[in-house]
Amino acid sequence: TQTVSQSDAHVTVFEGDSVELRCNYSYGGSIYLSWYIQHHGRGLQFLLKYYSGNPVVQGVNGFEAEFSKSDSSFHLRKASVHWSDSAVYFCAVSAYNNNAPRFGAGTKLTVKP
Amino acid sequence: ETAVFQTPNYHVTQVGNEVSFNCKQTLGHDTMYWYKQDSKKLLKIMFSYNNKQLIVNETVPRRFSPQSSDKAHLNLRIKSVEPEDSAVYLCASSARSSGNTLYFGEGSRLIVV
Repeated sequence: TQTVSQSDAHVTVFEGDSVELRCNYSYGGSIYLSWYIQHHGRGLQFLLKYYSGNPVVQGVNGFEAEFSKSDSSFHLRKASVHWSDSAVYFCAVSAYNNNAPRFGAGTKLTVKP
Repeated sequence: ETAVFQTPNYHVTQVGNEVSFNCKQTLGHDTMYWYKQDSKKLLKIMFSYNNKQLIVNETVPRRFSPQSSDKAHLNLRIKSVEPEDSAVYLCASSARSSGNTLYFGEGSRLIVV
């Protein structure tokens, strides 16, 4: 069974700061790792995904994430955040055999002006 | 751009009543899902379904049942609601060719009084 953990429930930064949201996973086989964003009262939206190849993947709106097999991690980063990036961010893992993605507990990012 | 449509957006009902949530996707995807999101934002997979297989999370109470007329629709029926069923129910779809990238609807909030 694959599991995913997000160690930070809340992260607060100022506009223009860089941010890293942490995600660690546990699974022995081939997996997809993804990040999603959820604005208040909305559904989740896909940001980016890793399966193989370059461990740094680029997503929408300046987000990127880096896969590390040795650390079992897939941390999300952004160099300069905007107030509109305030949302809850979810890391997800799914096995390559196409079972339903499992989500971490989410990290609420607050960007202050 | 929303391509997964859920109705109703919001529903208040009494304990013991029957409730149905509808979901339709216009993306041509072959797999659909229902997730439950609780008040702490935790996401739990309830069902995944494609035209060949229904996969049920074994922890889902039997009063919940998915209903599908074709691969573009997956409804959720709750036979006799309980207070702990109060949550946001999120429908999603994916295509095998896109590696389990989920496209979510806006959610259906259920309040049981």
